[in-house]
Amino acid sequence: DIQMTQSPSSLSASVGDRVNITCRASQTISSFINWYQQKPGKGPNLLIYAASSLHRGAPSRFSGSGSGTEFTLTISSLQPEDFVTYYCQQSLTFPWTFGQGTKVDI
Amino acid sequence: QVQVVESGGGLAKPGGSLRLSCVVPGFSLNDYHMSWIRQTPGKGLECVAYIGSGGGPKYYADSVKGRFALSRDTANNSLFLQMNSLRADDTAVYYCVFGDYEPHWGQGTQVTVSS
Repeated sequence: DIQMTQSPSSLSASVGDRVNITCRASQTISSFINWYQQKPGKGPNLLIYAASSLHRGAPSRFSGSGSGTEFTLTISSLQPEDFVTYYCQQSLTFPWTFGQGTKVDI
Repeated sequence: QVQVVESGGGLAKPGGSLRLSCVVPGFSLNDYHMSWIRQTPGKGLECVAYIGSGGGPKYYADSVKGRFALSRDTANNSLFLQMNSLRADDTAVYYCVFGDYEPHWGQGTQVTVSS
């Protein structure tokens, strides 16, 4: 299985900050990576698919970059509702595998 | 707006069975890749089962192989996950995921296995 190593596992930030979350794949996955936001008690919501495409309805302050094995989710200006947990997921091969998550705290 | 709706979760005893259902109104599930993914606080997110468009191929995680089975009811446009021989470590929130390139997730259904 492809391992997804996500970092950091948690970070502290303030409203308005620019934040980067990274994911490293154990082998090349081209651009087959998705990023999700998960709020407490809810299912994951897709933010970015195919490494850099913004899912319809996701705010434009979210962006994704990278290819091969190194990927980044960027939040350009943190809003109060963004202080939740984020996950990466590779969709190149089954089983899909996920990062361990990044919790963004105030 | 794609809506993914799961149902069928609940409480089961070890060794028991449950069947989860998934519907996506307005879409023919047979035309899309479908997955079931579960989440626990300890193990995070785990892809347990997948079925390709058109009825195949199927994939099962090693942890559920031989116990869980995917099926589709094309007449009623539904996807099912039959879960047999349930164990305590199957306790999780189970999500139905529609599509693969731009996947849409349901809100999840809780499965609890406990005596």
